[in-house]
Amino acid sequence: QVQLQESGPGLVKPSQTLSLTCTVSGDSISTNDYYWSWIRQHPEGGLEWIGYISHSGTTYYIPSLKSRVDISIELSKNQFSLNLTSVTAADTAIYYCARDSGYSPDYWGQGTRVTVSS
Amino acid sequence: QSTLTQPRSVSASPGQSVTISCTGTIYDVGGHNYVSWHRQYPGKAPKLIIYAVNKRPSGVPDRFSGSKAGTTASLTISGLQFDDEADYYCSSYIFRSTSVIFGGGTSLTVL
Repeated sequence: QVQLQESGPGLVKPSQTLSLTCTVSGDSISTNDYYWSWIRQHPEGGLEWIGYISHSGTTYYIPSLKSRVDISIELSKNQFSLNLTSVTAADTAIYYCARDSGYSPDYWGQGTRVTVSS
Repeated sequence: QSTLTQPRSVSASPGQSVTISCTGTIYDVGGHNYVSWHRQYPGKAPKLIIYAVNKRPSGVPDRFSGSKAGTTASLTISGLQFDDEADYYCSSYIFRSTSVIFGGGTSLTVL
């Protein structure tokens, strides 16, 4: 059974960088069958796809965040990470990592709540 | 388009069927069969229940079915149970930008 677990600070100051890590168990992120995604859910409820990365490091990002987002992968640790720079209150959300099968996100982490506030 | 269009809420009684729609464009829902549905209970992570328009992951009962006509995908839940009360989100690939878009979510109430 694939499991994903997000980790990182729950509070980030405005203008700073939000950094989260997703640790994957039950599957190897080195396989070329999947993409590894970050998705967020704002307090009002909607889901927003942020981007994903392949095992080879190829990345795709939502255009509206592309200038501030970086997703990286650490194969040896079976982890991938999200960096979001210059955060504002609008970046306050629950952040999920997920495995993407090529059809859809198919396994989700439990999510981690991040608040942007001074 | 920032999100796919879903009704904000639907309701039905136990044992009945309900259908939730998800409307997009020719660039997402209407352009391929990479449409999925996810169920989310309050305070929990979403869970995939339908992928590739009408395929069910292992363990998802056949009370859940998906379909698509043109730029609108649909999720039908038959034999409603109280446990089906949750939020449901559709998602689709946008191939021209290699990205994923979600619907705004539909809250299902089982009366």
